This record gives sequence, C-alpha cells and structure tokens, in this order.
Amino acid sequence: DAGVTQSPTHLIKTRGQQVTLRCSPKSGHDTVSWYQQALGQGPQFIFQYYEEEERQRGNFPDRFSGHQFPNYSSELNVNALLLGDSALYLCASSRQDSPLHFGNGTRLTVT
Amino acid sequence: RKEVEQDPGPFNVPEGATVAFNCTYSNSASQSFFWYRQDCRKEPKLLMSVYSSGNEDGRFTAQLNRASQYISLLIRDSKLSDSATYLCVVIRSNDYKLSFGAGTTVTVRA
Repeated sequence: DAGVTQSPTHLIKTRGQQVTLRCSPKSGHDTVSWYQQALGQGPQFIFQYYEEEERQRGNFPDRFSGHQFPNYSSELNVNALLLGDSALYLCASSRQDSPLHFGNGTRLTVT
Repeated sequence: RKEVEQDPGPFNVPEGATVAFNCTYSNSASQSFFWYRQDCRKEPKLLMSVYSSGNEDGRFTAQLNRASQYISLLIRDSKLSDSATYLCVVIRSNDYKLSFGAGTTVTVRA
C-alpha cells in the first residue's frame, strides 16, 4: 500500500518563474493538505483540498494556488517565485480528523 | 497569540534520562491532538495520538490537560535515536483546521 508520494524530490528555479508540485495521497484518503516548512520552523499550512475544492487556506498570497483531481491527487502551483519561497513543501493526506500522513516533501530552491 | 506554541528547546539529555515537554494551544474547540517526530530534512512522521485519558506507547507517554489547554510528551530511558524535533499538532473540532507547533528539539547524548 503506497503512502503519500510527492514529485519532484528537488527543484531549483529562478526568481519570477512558476512551479508545480504534485502529490498522490495515501490509499483511502480523500483530503490533501499542503505545508511550507522553512529551515528551523514548523510546517506552515498553505491550504487543504477536499472533494476537489479548497476547503481551508492559511496566510499565503494568491501566488500560491492548488488543485485536486477526481482521483484525490493534488497539485500546488506557485507563481512569480521569490527567494523567500525556498523551503521544503510537504503534502499530507488524511480522512476528516484522522492523523496526517506526509510525503517525503519537495525541496524547492529559488535562486 | 499563536494557536499552538512549543518550547523550542533544545533539550540536551544523556542517554537513559527522562525528558518531558509541553505544547499549549489557544483554541478551546480543539478536539484532536497528535505528536509527530521530524528528523533533520525529513518529513514529519506520526509518533502517537493523544487521548483524553492519556496514553503510553513503550517509552513514550502523552497526556492532555484540557483545563489548562496543553498536551505533553514524556520520553523515558532516552536513546540516541530519540534525537529529533517533536511537533505537536492540534485539530479544531468545528472546521478540522490543523495547526502545527514550531517543534521542540531533543538531543540525546552518549
């Protein structure tokens, strides 16, 4: 039974570019959440998708957008990248208030 | 005030020692609580859920104090492999919003 899978593992982009990160949830999970984790910080909630809609959103600008597909997989898009967007991006899946299961993350470096 | 706050540490303890730390939450509507463990540059992994009556999993004991709005984690007989950052997670009952603490770093030395 595959857990949460994320791609790519690492990514290097330049300022102003756009990036798309992908996530496949754990089997049986219908909710996908995205987090940004800077070095030395706890994960910061970006948004959560359920039934293909954004259900909740954290304090992130509109440059951060997402999508959930009918098979529950999800994408995170970031436009107009800034140096400060460099971080580990974590995808987590769950059902309702069950514990989150995290993917290995995508390490994004913006130069 | 942050929804979830943790003492960042670090807690430096010798092998075999007991270490304990808390996580406070501000929203009384919080209903579900978890401890996650995160190793350097890796993803968080569920360590244990926290139940109202308190629960143990081997050397780890988690407790919930609803009156004072905090959860705690106690590690007995610390091992070198317990060195990690421990994140507490709180889920609100009304909208299932999930909040992470910034983490408590524990370093166990030989």
